[in-house]
Amino acid sequence: DADVTQTPRNRITKTGKRIMLECSQTKGHDRMYWYRQDPGLGLRLIYYSFDVKDINKGEISDGYSVSRQAQAKFSLSLESAIPNQTALYFCATSSSSGSYEQYFGPGTRLTVT
Amino acid sequence: QKEVEQNSGPLSVPEGAIASLNCTYSDRVSQSFFWYRQYSGKSPELIMSIYSNGDKEDGRFTAQLNKASQYVSLLIRDSQPSDSATYLCAVKSVGSASKIIFGSGTRLSIRP
Repeated sequence: DADVTQTPRNRITKTGKRIMLECSQTKGHDRMYWYRQDPGLGLRLIYYSFDVKDINKGEISDGYSVSRQAQAKFSLSLESAIPNQTALYFCATSSSSGSYEQYFGPGTRLTVT
Repeated sequence: QKEVEQNSGPLSVPEGAIASLNCTYSDRVSQSFFWYRQYSGKSPELIMSIYSNGDKEDGRFTAQLNKASQYVSLLIRDSQPSDSATYLCAVKSVGSASKIIFGSGTRLSIRP
């Protein structure tokens, strides 16, 4: 079984809709991240969480919100989706006691029409 | 100046040859360096980590770090068609907690 899972894997939604992307991990890591990837722009950090009570904005948090429901679960919400949020979204995890290596989920391809 | 810079490629290398991928970073106090491989449409996969100056070898992969010159490289020996992917360089700096800055990646193509 995959250590980091994301649901859904693909999603097409309309402008203005609210959508939630979910991430779960069985690695036992305390730190979790949400990134988006656009062609030519690399990975950009949206939000990160160092534990259940610690949520931090990344470089592109506008238009997004997150919830850390448990150590193993970290959700990303788009309150009112817009077309320029069309991208590939990745969840990642790392351990505070480790070497800062991050491990990625399989990604969610989101299309906003 | 971008914090982590990579040549976008594509870098074309014949099968069996050595592929050399380079990355420079701007924060002089960076302490941890990573190479990820990403196949098209897939997630990044960690292939190498390096923390000290010098070379670190793992199978066909060698990571090289030179903190004085602020560059890190990845060598792939005996390149195989399955090595065709985008390679992302990532850097963690002191004081940035667990945040890692990713380069935009170099696309590598191994030609048979």
